[in-house]
Amino acid sequence: TQLLEQSPQFLSIQEGENLTVYCNSSSVFSSLQWYRQEPGEGPVLLVTVVTGGEVKKLKRLTFQFGDARKDSSLHITAAQPGDTGLYLCAGAGSGGSNYKLTFGKGTLLTVNP
Amino acid sequence: ETGVTQSPTHLIKTRGQQVTLRCSSQSGHNTVSWYQQALGQGPQFIFQYYREEENGRGNFPPRFSGLQFPNYSSELNVNALELDDSALYLCASSSTGAGANVLTFGAGSRLTVL
Repeated sequence: TQLLEQSPQFLSIQEGENLTVYCNSSSVFSSLQWYRQEPGEGPVLLVTVVTGGEVKKLKRLTFQFGDARKDSSLHITAAQPGDTGLYLCAGAGSGGSNYKLTFGKGTLLTVNP
Repeated sequence: ETGVTQSPTHLIKTRGQQVTLRCSSQSGHNTVSWYQQALGQGPQFIFQYYREEENGRGNFPPRFSGLQFPNYSSELNVNALELDDSALYLCASSSTGAGANVLTFGAGSRLTVL
């Protein structure tokens, strides 16, 4: 069974601060995705990382995929209240199991003005 | 481009009852996946439908079943409801090939079992 552990589970910071969220597993994934989910909504895809060591930037968000494709991190620079939400990482299996995503429990981020 | 729509948004059932949840996929998508998200947890894969057939299943009992229709919309049916079935049920649509893992989620159906 593939599991993804996210840390921290909860994070409350002030506007303007930086933060990093981690997603770790003992399993190798063919790709890893990050989603943000707001209350009453479904998850919205932020990024997909595929290659070990890959770094992707989306405005103030920086995503990194570990060299061994077992872990990933999301770094937010100068957080804003609009960044508040549940951040979920999800791994896609390889070969015959690539049809499903395995999600972590999420990191609930609150950015206070 | 129309996104993924789910109905109903909220519903309350009692133990032992049956429920049907509905999902309309995003335009251009032919694959539908269902996920269960319990409170404080990440979504868990239930199953996926492609070409009107189940294409893969997670660790859920047979009382969780589904359908996909020729227009790619889908239903999730749960029989003999249990208290632990209380959750947000998310439908996600995708295409095949390179877009297979690019999921577009609906807002979900919040099921409460009393």
